[in-house]
Amino acid sequence: SQKIEQNSEALNIQEGKTATLTCNYTNYSPAYLQWYRQDPGRGPVFLLLIRENEKEKRKERLKVTFDTTLKQSLFHITASQPADSATYLCALDRGSTLGRLYFGRGTQLTVWP
Amino acid sequence: GAGVSQSPSNKVTEKGKDVELRCDPISGHTALYWYRQSLGQGLEFLIYFQGNSAPDKSGLPSDRFSAERTGGSVSTLTIQRTQQEDSAVYLCASSLQGMNTGELFFGEGSRLTVL
Repeated sequence: SQKIEQNSEALNIQEGKTATLTCNYTNYSPAYLQWYRQDPGRGPVFLLLIRENEKEKRKERLKVTFDTTLKQSLFHITASQPADSATYLCALDRGSTLGRLYFGRGTQLTVWP
Repeated sequence: GAGVSQSPSNKVTEKGKDVELRCDPISGHTALYWYRQSLGQGLEFLIYFQGNSAPDKSGLPSDRFSAERTGGSVSTLTIQRTQQEDSAVYLCASSLQGMNTGELFFGEGSRLTVL
């Protein structure tokens, strides 16, 4: 089965800095990789999707990269704000449009003023 | 409704009792997923529905767990003879298959506590 590792369970940064979260996977390469945000007591919320043939995807202050050679995705939040504090989950598929998504345990990001 | 709706939001039960958790997906979403999230853990896949059929139920942890989906809409996850290790947040998600995006829309979850 697919194994997913997200860097350090917790990441603390100062407001205005860029937060960089890492997602590494083993075994087969997914067709796409997704990032979700989860706040305490809430369900995950979709942020970005990047496909295997894409190197980079941006959305406002968010940027995701996907390196299939390194089997790694990086998730960046630029000009971070305290409101960005949450747990961020990466998820990837089995190379099919159907079926399960495998989720990492997440990285808890805290942005302090 | 506008989003995925789950009920109950909280359920406390005694060991050995049966529980039913309900999920009402976004209208028109053909795919429905159940995940489980234990404290400090990642999301554990349980089962996936496409329409009313379940092509992937390999994540169900034991035969005490079952799920069904009727009318291509509402789904019920049933846990029989609950055990303390079943305590977790059960999350339901739906997606619009065929869009090739795979984006999942999650509900807020049902928090199950087995005493």
